[in-house]
Amino acid sequence: DAGITQSPRYKITETGRQVTLMCHQTWSHSYMFWYRQDLGHGLRLIYYSAAADITDKGEVPDGYVVSRSKTENFPLTLESATRSQTSVYFCASSRDRGNQPQHFGDGTRLSIL
Amino acid sequence: GENVEQHPSTLSVQEGDSAVIKCTYSDSASNYFPWYKQELGKRPQLIIDIRSNVGEKKDQRIAVTLNKTAKHFSLHITETQPEDSAVYFCAASEPSGSARQLTFGSGTQLTVLP
Repeated sequence: DAGITQSPRYKITETGRQVTLMCHQTWSHSYMFWYRQDLGHGLRLIYYSAAADITDKGEVPDGYVVSRSKTENFPLTLESATRSQTSVYFCASSRDRGNQPQHFGDGTRLSIL
Repeated sequence: GENVEQHPSTLSVQEGDSAVIKCTYSDSASNYFPWYKQELGKRPQLIIDIRSNVGEKKDQRIAVTLNKTAKHFSLHITETQPEDSAVYFCAASEPSGSARQLTFGSGTQLTVLP
């Protein structure tokens, strides 16, 4: 399970600040995903990536930016953080296009004051 | 897009009893249905999954059933133990863009009472 790591684990920042959440996987999985988890909403997909330089929007992409210059890294950036983006963020990866399990990182708990 | 509804939102059972969690989905193109267990403060972990060409799958005390016609699938846990207490999420995988998206249910808090 150490194959996918997220950093930082906890982050407190202020509204308007830019913050980047990191995700790194060592499995050479092609597909990577970013979710946010809020009480009452389960896990909602923000962005995903099928390979380096290929990214797509998920259900809740507004206010977020992603990049994938290397297969193993998939950072998520909040360009101007808002209080509504306070959440727990999970990164996940999958070996295949979608009919294979997604494996999750430990999450980043982000608080925006 | 896909819509996944999960019931109940909370479930309490006595140790040794069975627990059943049900999910419905809306997109008939969905063909992969995983279940995740999430303990407090931890990552979601896959416990079992099923593909649309299979009606039932078992793994020790855990089983999942799928009814494609009715678009619903269920998680069954038998002989529950206190360590089964957690939040359980169902999900459905639908085609979207360059990958298939997982849409999650809102979760079921299972409490196993000793």
